[in-house]
Amino acid sequence: QKEVEQNSGPLSVPEGAIASLNCTYSDRGSQSFFWYRQYSGKSPELIMFIYSNGDKEDGRFTAQLNKASQYVSLLIRDSQPSDSATYLCAVRIGGQNFVFGPGTRLSVLP
Amino acid sequence: DVKVTQSSRYLVKRTGEKVFLECVQDMDHENMFWYRQDPGLGLRLIYFSYDVKMKEKGDIPEGYSVSREKKERFSLILESASTNQTSMYLCASSPPDRNYGYTFGSGTRLTVV
Repeated sequence: QKEVEQNSGPLSVPEGAIASLNCTYSDRGSQSFFWYRQYSGKSPELIMFIYSNGDKEDGRFTAQLNKASQYVSLLIRDSQPSDSATYLCAVRIGGQNFVFGPGTRLSVLP
Repeated sequence: DVKVTQSSRYLVKRTGEKVFLECVQDMDHENMFWYRQDPGLGLRLIYFSYDVKMKEKGDIPEGYSVSREKKERFSLILESASTNQTSMYLCASSPPDRNYGYTFGSGTRLTVV
């Protein structure tokens, strides 16, 4: 069974701080990794993806991938209250199928 | 703007009814998916389709079937609704490119009473 694990949270950070969200996966052959944001009562929306080791930056968001450690993370700089949501890590396991983690709930405190 | 449209936002059905959940995408995507999302269980794949008239079982297909007669439309059918099928149902689509994620519809919250 291919698994993706995340701390369920809630992770609370003050406004303006860096939020760090972590994800580990079990399938060493996994190639692509995606982060989705889901506001309460809404559907998930894609934030960014990464498939090479290292960092990938997009605005205030940075995805980090370490395939040797089977670890992917999402950093949110200058966190805003509007970033408060559940963040889902998704790992592509073949074709266009993904395994989703349970999500980490982030709360940014004004 | 890319869109995946689910026909109903909220639905209440009785036990034993046959239920149809419709999903339409306007992006010409080959791949379409149905998930359910439950607290504590996350997103679970019910069925998916990579092409018209093609369907594959996901992780939890029991009690469900699907239909894909046209590329843009993927329907989920609950043959005989039961209370344990009360859930949020999410449709998603994607192109074949491995570096694209999913675009999700807004979801249908189904309650079976």
